Amino acid sequence: ETGVTQTPRHLVMGMTNKKSLKCEQHLGHNAMYWYKQSAKKPLELMFVYSLEERVENNSVPSRFSPECPNSSHLFLHLHTLQPEDSALYLCASSQEFKSNQPQHFGDGTRLSIL
Amino acid sequence: GQNIDQPTEMTATEGAIVQINCTYQTSGFNGLFWYQQHAGEAPTFLSYNVLDGLEEKGRFSSFLSRSKGYSYLLLKELQMKDSASYLCAVSNFGNEKLTFGTGTRLTIIP
Repeated sequence: ETGVTQTPRHLVMGMTNKKSLKCEQHLGHNAMYWYKQSAKKPLELMFVYSLEERVENNSVPSRFSPECPNSSHLFLHLHTLQPEDSALYLCASSQEFKSNQPQHFGDGTRLSIL
Repeated sequence: GQNIDQPTEMTATEGAIVQINCTYQTSGFNGLFWYQQHAGEAPTFLSYNVLDGLEEKGRFSSFLSRSKGYSYLLLKELQMKDSASYLCAVSNFGNEKLTFGTGTRLTIIP
């Protein structure tokens, strides 16, 4: 139990569907992150929120839309995805948005685009 | 830019010792993390090194040489449950982001 919960664990969707990934952290942290993990590639940072404000957007396509309604919850809204978007999407949190602080990860959502 | 290299796969025997290396090239180095990730599970924090030297934590130790851009993770008395991927990640002053390597998949055999 890492204190970071992601739902759903698995998601299969067509390219025209709209779905959302949810992340909740029970650690009282102020920073939350979305990462994409593809086979044989490094973890790719997508978005960072610090105190509910977006502080990082790594040139992610607009078909991915994050939302952080409060410091404990983070969503990733998906729309009109492409087959290359199939991957494991990991949420993480840290006490502050500082690179010397360990990040705590959820188990991820395994996304498959048909 | 940044570059992080670690071996893709390693195999070791139960009860033995294994060393997983990580080399990096970066500016504004602010520390190096090691994470463990079992298949289908969350990466979990193992260690953080910012000064040169060896940090020991039970069966796991992590070493850093800033001048050489080099780190290793040492696992002793290997157990079957140590079969996992081990991710090296470098942090930098200024952008506060972590840059991850591709990970080393370690398989422990009886």
